[in-house]
Amino acid sequence: RKEVEQDPGPFNVPEGATVAFNCTYSNSASQSFFWYRQDCRKEPKLLMSVYSSGNEDGRFTAQLNRASQYISLLIRDSKLSDSATYLCVVNDAGKSTFGDGTTLTVKP
Amino acid sequence: GAVVSQHPSRVICKSGTSVKIECRSLDFQATTMFWYRQFPKQSLMLMATSNEGSKATYEQGVEKDKFLINHASLTLSTLTVTSAHPEDSSFYICSARGFRGSYEQYFGPGTRLTVT
Repeated sequence: RKEVEQDPGPFNVPEGATVAFNCTYSNSASQSFFWYRQDCRKEPKLLMSVYSSGNEDGRFTAQLNRASQYISLLIRDSKLSDSATYLCVVNDAGKSTFGDGTTLTVKP
Repeated sequence: GAVVSQHPSRVICKSGTSVKIECRSLDFQATTMFWYRQFPKQSLMLMATSNEGSKATYEQGVEKDKFLINHASLTLSTLTVTSAHPEDSSFYICSARGFRGSYEQYFGPGTRLTVT
């Protein structure tokens, strides 16, 4: 079993849709959690950190459930520019483990 | 803030030659830098972790004599692919972390290596 698992997708949604990604992790000692986005043939870029209380940044909401060991990312009112691969990252004492990513395609 | 540069962005070399890739943190001091490689449609694979002034820690299966890493200063790390072969062709990405108490990583734009 992988340390960090994501549904690879692809998720194909129309503009304006709401889409949610989940990510599960196996290391209960994990301390920090992040979502990155990666565009095709580009480097990953930090999208947002994930806090225990949940956090929101515009159309993006991240949630953490430590008991069930999963994090989620909700994107509301999807834009064409949201098309990318979304990477879940779990950190334990400085060591980051990346999920394989979930691919999102937003269509007009 | 938190800008990481990488050079070169693209390199084509002949089999048997060595290639050096530079990774620089431009506006912060990077106590730790990471080197990844990524094949098309695959996830990032961590190759090694380097802390300034000490030897790099390589992941299992990564040959340290083939992928030489030098983290000489708090703003510069280099990866040298020695005696490159076509199977080393890949997208190499560095990332840097330096904020005290934060584990966020900031990635360089990557180097696309093609070995002919």
